[in-house]
Amino acid sequence: QQPVQSPQAVILREGEDAVINCSSSKALYSVHWYRQKHGEAPVFLMILLKGGEQKGHDKISASFNEKKQQSSLYLTASQLSYSGTYFCGTPHPSNFGNEKLTFGTGTRLTIIP
Amino acid sequence: NAGVTQTPKFRVLKTGQSMTLLCAQDMNHEYMYWYRQDPGMGLRLIHYSVGEGTTAKGEVPDGYNVSRLKKQNFLLGLESAAPSQTSVYFCASNSRGHEQYFGPGTRLTVT
Repeated sequence: QQPVQSPQAVILREGEDAVINCSSSKALYSVHWYRQKHGEAPVFLMILLKGGEQKGHDKISASFNEKKQQSSLYLTASQLSYSGTYFCGTPHPSNFGNEKLTFGTGTRLTIIP
Repeated sequence: NAGVTQTPKFRVLKTGQSMTLLCAQDMNHEYMYWYRQDPGMGLRLIHYSVGEGTTAKGEVPDGYNVSRLKKQNFLLGLESAAPSQTSVYFCASNSRGHEQYFGPGTRLTVT
């Protein structure tokens, strides 16, 4: 089942903080975050694991809500380079590792000077 | 180390024509994937492979076939192209427990 991302789009000024959400109807085993710039391939940002452990980007963090049905990605003191479309990907609970991710429809983030 | 490469980068087909998209990775990854990306739809998994000689269907497999005869290559075939297959196609690969690496994409237009 495809996770739902919110907001669909957001515009921020440089230096402001951004929060992007990824929601599922079932508890999330892990959440994978990718960023895609226009005309380019998606690039890995981070993985949020079931126990809250994070692997990936230094300046980006993520968390689960209490029921682990929503993950939030936090971008602090956003930079112009943060602009792009952010996708969350969730593996099927029966999968081990990271095969067969289902991606959300994306959140378009625009950072303006 | 080229990472994940895709051939071709662009292609225009007429309805009913066939073609093969090639994905190659030099990272010795076990897992490989083909996605299609359409506006507002995100990335949707077409087929994937968990090892040489194995393939499996993803979310939107109809109209596509795949083969993985060598570990480093994953081929996506369209036997009879339809306008609904106009899309950007991405290949990705990874090792178990690690992030996926994406290729640069193939932009396909079917007229």
